[in-house]
Amino acid sequence: DTEVTQTPKHLVMGMTNKKSLKCEQHMGHRAMYWYKQKAKKPPELMFVYSYEKLSINESVPSRFSPECPNSSLLNLHLHALQPEDSALYLCASSQEWSGLDGNEQFFGPGTRLTVL
Amino acid sequence: AQKITQTQPGMFVQEKEAVTLDCTYDTSDQSYGLFWYKQPSSGEMIFLIYQGSYDEQNATEGRYSLNFQKARKSANLVISASQLGDSAMYFCAMREDNAGNMLTFGGGTRLMVKP
Repeated sequence: DTEVTQTPKHLVMGMTNKKSLKCEQHMGHRAMYWYKQKAKKPPELMFVYSYEKLSINESVPSRFSPECPNSSLLNLHLHALQPEDSALYLCASSQEWSGLDGNEQFFGPGTRLTVL
Repeated sequence: AQKITQTQPGMFVQEKEAVTLDCTYDTSDQSYGLFWYKQPSSGEMIFLIYQGSYDEQNATEGRYSLNFQKARKSANLVISASQLGDSAMYFCAMREDNAGNMLTFGGGTRLMVKP
């Protein structure tokens, strides 16, 4: 099973709402990632979890709150977002966080988020 | 400075022909990896091919091959026998191995395959 799943596929929320994005993988990977991608741009790294611990936070505003409840699951909690946060949010996983040979990141299908 | 440069914002190719997507990179590290991903309009980033900096042979995966020219710091993707389903955005990415598994992406090339 080389699949990363993400739910929901689409999400529309108001600026006062609280919502969560969910990501799951069953490949035994120990590194999981959240990316944000605006239209016609490459993905931008937001967070990295390695062995269920937050390893990297790329200066993301606190209205985005990641959580890794176990080695297969990654959540992104959203609160008080702004319209400019509308984007495609991609989750990815890889065997390890280290620069191993190969160690490619496998991506999920993404959640298209619209903030009104 | 840009670490990964994809100079072709958009390209057309005739179905069944081969196409080369350009990628140049900049690093002073000796150990690094180069990746290509495909992103259809549905949004999912699909891993295509990987080349390690110490690999002497060019990587190949089915219809995809990576033309790795280390001295020129280029890692071009060659797609043979293009298919309509190859129409997508293609991203080149680099990982410097002493910086974990962090990918730096290029700006992407949109490939359109004509029937």
